Amino acid sequence: AQSVTQLDSQVPVFEEAPVELRCNYSSSVSVYLFWYVQYPNQGLQLLLKYLSGSTLVKGINGFEAEFNKSQTSFHLRKPSVHISDTAEYFCAVSVNAGGTSYGKLTFGQGTILTVHP
Amino acid sequence: DAGVTQSPTHLIKTRGQHVTLRCSPISGHKSVSWYQQVLGQGPQFIFQYYEKEERGRGNFPDRFSARQFPNYSSELNVNALLLGDSALYLCASSSGQGTLQETQYFGPGTRLLVL
Repeated sequence: AQSVTQLDSQVPVFEEAPVELRCNYSSSVSVYLFWYVQYPNQGLQLLLKYLSGSTLVKGINGFEAEFNKSQTSFHLRKPSVHISDTAEYFCAVSVNAGGTSYGKLTFGQGTILTVHP
Repeated sequence: DAGVTQSPTHLIKTRGQHVTLRCSPISGHKSVSWYQQVLGQGPQFIFQYYEKEERGRGNFPDRFSARQFPNYSSELNVNALLLGDSALYLCASSSGQGTLQETQYFGPGTRLLVL
């Protein structure tokens, strides 16, 4: 079975500093990878996704992520964060396992990013 | 265009009661999935429906059931509520058949508290 590990439960950072949120996954088959953001009292919003092709994926709000197959990682980065980036971030994988093709997302535990002025 | 909508936004029930949560997908989306997000954890997959048929089910007891209507809206039903069912219930829709590569668009969720 696949699993997702977000290595940091909380990441505090100052405004305009760079940030990296780490995500590792475990799967014996090919995966599709997603990062979602959840603002307080809201649902999940897609930041970016990796399906195939270039391993560097650019998303909304200046975020990007790099797929590293050998390290089974999909870390999220932003070169300069804003106060408005304060939220919880979830890494998720979608796996074709057992012949099923439906889109079941397996999420990590989440990383709370807090941007301080 | 309206996004995924869910009702009610908040709900308080007591143990042993039954609850029905509702979801309307984005217009034109035919696939709906349900997730449970317990406080402090990531969402966990409960069900996926496409064209009124169940395509997948997560590791949840039979107390959890769902259905999809001809207009592609969906209901999640939970019987014999337990304290541990307290969570944010998220509905997501996608534009195709709900396959692996499709983006799932999430609603704001229904927060259920079981006392």
